[in-house]
Amino acid sequence: ETGVTQTPRHLVMGMTNKKSLKCEQHLGHNAMYWYKQSAKKPLELMFVYSLEERVENNSVPSRFSPECPNSSHLFLHLHTLQPEDSALYLCASSQDFGSGLADYEQYFGPGTRLTVT
Amino acid sequence: AQKITQTQPGMFVQEKEAVTLDCTYDTSDPSYGLFWYKQPSSGEMIFLIYQGSYDQQNATEGRYSLNFQKARKSANLVISASQLGDSAMYFCAMRESDSGGYNKLIFGAGTRLAVHP
Repeated sequence: ETGVTQTPRHLVMGMTNKKSLKCEQHLGHNAMYWYKQSAKKPLELMFVYSLEERVENNSVPSRFSPECPNSSHLFLHLHTLQPEDSALYLCASSQDFGSGLADYEQYFGPGTRLTVT
Repeated sequence: AQKITQTQPGMFVQEKEAVTLDCTYDTSDPSYGLFWYKQPSSGEMIFLIYQGSYDQQNATEGRYSLNFQKARKSANLVISASQLGDSAMYFCAMRESDSGGYNKLIFGAGTRLAVHP
């Protein structure tokens, strides 16, 4: 596997279910991100982990719970979601600041399209 | 507050022609980075091109070039010799100034480009 992978690609869940989204990066990066992309809205940053420590939490409801067990893996645990949480959830990774272009670019996974019924 | 504005919700271009996608930004920070990403219908965000605020020359990557006008705070993407595979959503993004050691990006609303044969 190369780049950033996400599983599952599609997920349909009821409001009472518990599910998890998984992201894995094979790029040796040390920062990982969760974004939410809803229809007709700009991409919204949800969580950032840098060196496996959460450094950003953009007022995301507690029904979304991130987990970063190591620098290559990132999870988003979902429970008691609402229909308005239906969206494309994108994971990304990057290197921390340093010199050169590669330090600024975020690499994205293909996303998980979530539908909450 | 920093902001990215893409005023064109949709654009179309004839195959083999050039097209310019507009992006303006607002920041008071003298140091910033600007990015363009492409999102095909499959969902994955693909990095296209980067421009640093101190770069003396406009960035180019193959058929992509960035028309960077610092005084006007614009960073328009120019795609030359459009191909059918260029049909996608295009997002302009800016690295937030107080990112604290990781790449926190602010995204615009996006422009949907349709390439006609």
